[in-house]
Amino acid sequence: NAGVMQNPRHLVRRRGQEARLRCSPMKGHSHVYWYRQLPEEGLKFMVYLQKENIIDESGMPKERFSAEFPKEGPSILRIQQVVRGDSAAYFCASSTGAGNTEAFFGQGTRLTVV
Amino acid sequence: GESVGLHLPTLSVQEGDNSIINCAYSNSASDYFIWYKQESGKGPQFIIDIRSNMDKRQGQRVTVLLNKTVKHLSLQIAATQPGDSAVYFCAENGNGRSNTGKLIFGQGTTLQVKP
Repeated sequence: NAGVMQNPRHLVRRRGQEARLRCSPMKGHSHVYWYRQLPEEGLKFMVYLQKENIIDESGMPKERFSAEFPKEGPSILRIQQVVRGDSAAYFCASSTGAGNTEAFFGQGTRLTVV
Repeated sequence: GESVGLHLPTLSVQEGDNSIINCAYSNSASDYFIWYKQESGKGPQFIIDIRSNMDKRQGQRVTVLLNKTVKHLSLQIAATQPGDSAVYFCAENGNGRSNTGKLIFGQGTTLQVKP
């Protein structure tokens, strides 16, 4: 049973370009979470999705950021018109249920905006 | 507001000694807590969790203690090994108001194990 898979592991984008980050949850997991981590800091919650639904996007910037988790395929975190401040590690986690259930993390995508 | 924080940014211990990593939380409604270990360049790895109806939980070489009176959480690692060197985060999940699965992480404590 493969773990949470994220790709790419490293992504370099120029300012103004779009970044697409992918996350395939563990088999049997229908709950996906995205977090952002700046250097020397903890992870900050961005968005929580179930299949085809956004449940909680309270941590997502209102502009340029969007997330989806389609019925088929991986969850996608999309950042439009990237700026240098978007440079960070983005982690995806998945679980079998909401609330008090263990969430497993992927290895992250490290986005660098130049 | 909600916050989860750690008392010390770095902890240095001798191999074989016990380690204690502390965490304070501010939301008294928090009912689930998790400790994660993060090695350089990797994602957080689940270590142990505890629910608010418990004071103590033990795993393999690790123990988590929860003191709800003072809103304090600690992770104890027995016989610390070089492979334990990493950043340790406490996280809070489920605040009694909405059970969305959202985790609130502390800033992290770096554990350095000296051989």
